[in-house]
This record gives sequence, structure tokens and C-alpha cells, in this order.
Amino acid sequence: QVQLVESGGGVVQPGRSLRLSCVASGFTFTNYAIHWVRQAPGKGLEWVAIIWYDGTNKYYGDSVKGRFTISRDNSKNTLYLQMNSLRGEDTAVYYCARVGARGYQYGMDVWGQGTTVTVSS
Amino acid sequence: DIQMTQSPSSLSASVGDEVIITCRASQSIGSYLNWYQHKPGKAPNLLIYGASILQSGVPSRFSGSGSETDFSLTISNLQPEDCATYYCQQSYSLLFTFGPGTKVEIK
Repeated sequence: QVQLVESGGGVVQPGRSLRLSCVASGFTFTNYAIHWVRQAPGKGLEWVAIIWYDGTNKYYGDSVKGRFTISRDNSKNTLYLQMNSLRGEDTAVYYCARVGARGYQYGMDVWGQGTTVTVSS
Repeated sequence: DIQMTQSPSSLSASVGDEVIITCRASQSIGSYLNWYQHKPGKAPNLLIYGASILQSGVPSRFSGSGSETDFSLTISNLQPEDCATYYCQQSYSLLFTFGPGTKVEIK
């Protein structure tokens, strides 16, 4: 079935780095742009980044711009989020989410179950 | 950046009630407005896209309306499984933004 599975979360000290992965299955990965979205404890959903189906375009939320990098390896059906200079406020559950079949303007129709990142000394 | 607001922030209603959640954008976004349901420990679920188009598999008691800056999500005949937080999200700008959420509880 159509599925996204995140991994790579954990506990990391402030200022350190972490890389998240999201493996896709059940659909043609190369046809879809993919988002990262996060939810901090007790907070709402926050959009993090999006990458085009072919990796040519990438956009970031203001709170992560310059620190996080989104990328993908279409040969491995895998999306990545490289997170550098981590801060306490980056503590969250991180989700990958596929854009809707009609394109990025039509919602995020498939989500992973999330991976938890905790930034703490 | 486009800011999204929602009201109310939370509500409590009885099974069978009709519930309306409103969402406002800080500038016109046409119909590029999506609604999600999010339950604790689960992945968010797309309910409505394009302001009013029901996502496949979503019960017809969910409906969306609105355009430009003002939007609403209606849950008709509220069911116990509808207990969740609901978020609007604009996709007009490539700096996507979510509303703060509306928590729906069952009396």
C-alpha cells in the first residue's frame, strides 16, 4: 500500500546535527513533491520544507532556513532532512508528507507516522 | 508570509451536532486552502483540499467552503471518532502555513 516511513530521530545535544530519512513505497516516488512537517510538544503543525519531484526546487520555513537541508534520492525512494545547528525549539515529531496527486497546491494526502527528535543537553 | 488564524481554538459538542470551524488568511489565497484532522499519536489526515473538495475516503459529513480570505469546515452529525484537532493550511504560497488548530471534543 501507499506508505511513507520516517526514521533517524533521537536525542541530540544543542548545536549538533541529525539526518532524518523517509522511505516511500506503493507509489511512483519520482512523480511527487514531498514535504517535511513537524509538531513540537503541545503545539500545532508547522511546515518545514518541500522538495520538488526531481529535486530541482526546494523551499524552507523561516525557522529552519539556513540550518536544515531537504534532499532526495529517487533511486532509493528516499527523502532526507539534514538538520544542523539544532536548537531546543527544534524538538518535535517530524513527518514526511506527499503532495496531493493534483500538485502541491492541493494538500498533503499521504503522511508517515513521524519520527521524534529531542534536542537536549 | 501568509498568516492563518482559526476560531474557535476549542469546542465541545454532542454527538449528532453540526460543528463549524472557521479559518482566515491574512491575504487572499483563492481556493488554495486545505483541512486536516489530527488525532494524538497518529498521522494527520487530509479531509478537504481546494477549499471544498472532499478527499477520497473521507466521510461526507465533512464539508468545506469559502474563498479568498475566509473559509469554514463543517462537520455535520458529529460522531465520537471526530474527536481530534483540525488544522487549515494554505498552499497558495510556497511558504506553506498552517492555522493554530481547533480542538474538537465530544460532550
